Amino acid sequence: GNSVTQMEGPVTLSEEAFLTINCTYTATGYPSLFWYVQYPGEGLQLLLKATKADDKGSNKGFEATYRKETTSFHLEKGSVQVSDSAVYFCAPPWAGRRALTFGSGTRLQVQP
Amino acid sequence: DTGVSQDPRHKITKRGQNVTFRCDPISEHNRLYWYRQTLGQGPEFLTYFQNEAQLEKSRLLSDRFSAERPKGSFSTLEIQRTEQGDSAMYLCASSLGRVHTDTQYFGPGTRLTVL
Repeated sequence: GNSVTQMEGPVTLSEEAFLTINCTYTATGYPSLFWYVQYPGEGLQLLLKATKADDKGSNKGFEATYRKETTSFHLEKGSVQVSDSAVYFCAPPWAGRRALTFGSGTRLQVQP
Repeated sequence: DTGVSQDPRHKITKRGQNVTFRCDPISEHNRLYWYRQTLGQGPEFLTYFQNEAQLEKSRLLSDRFSAERPKGSFSTLEIQRTEQGDSAMYLCASSLGRVHTDTQYFGPGTRLTVL
């Protein structure tokens, strides 16, 4: 079945530092890929998604490119802010037919 | 579009009691999912519905758990004879369910504490 391997946290950065959270996957077919974010005390929110190879999803300064050749969907942001402190989940490849289990997420802590 | 709503937001119960949670999906969303999330972990899939039909159940969903979506709109998740291990955040999500690029939208969750 489809699965995802996500970088373990916590990741601690200073404000304005560059962020990369690695995510690789195994999948059959041509799935969509997602990053979700969970801010402290809040529910899961969709951060960005990409629906086909070489697509770049972007939102709130975050970007991730769907790399079919390396089966990766790494999350990046050029300059993190304290308000980006949250847990980030690379969601499993989604082919629209069944729900799968998320990884344990990567906790990001941004210090002023 | 008011988003996915869940009720109650918090529930404290004693071991052995039954509890029921409700989820109202985004209107016109055909698919509805239930997940469970424990502290420090990602969501674990429990079950999902396509309209009123329950299409898949995780092995996590023991016989003490039952979910319904009687009219293809809101859904309920009932846990009978609760155990301390049932303490978790119960998340509901919904999606259009029409294309493979579907996005799941999550509700705020119901936090269950079993004493």
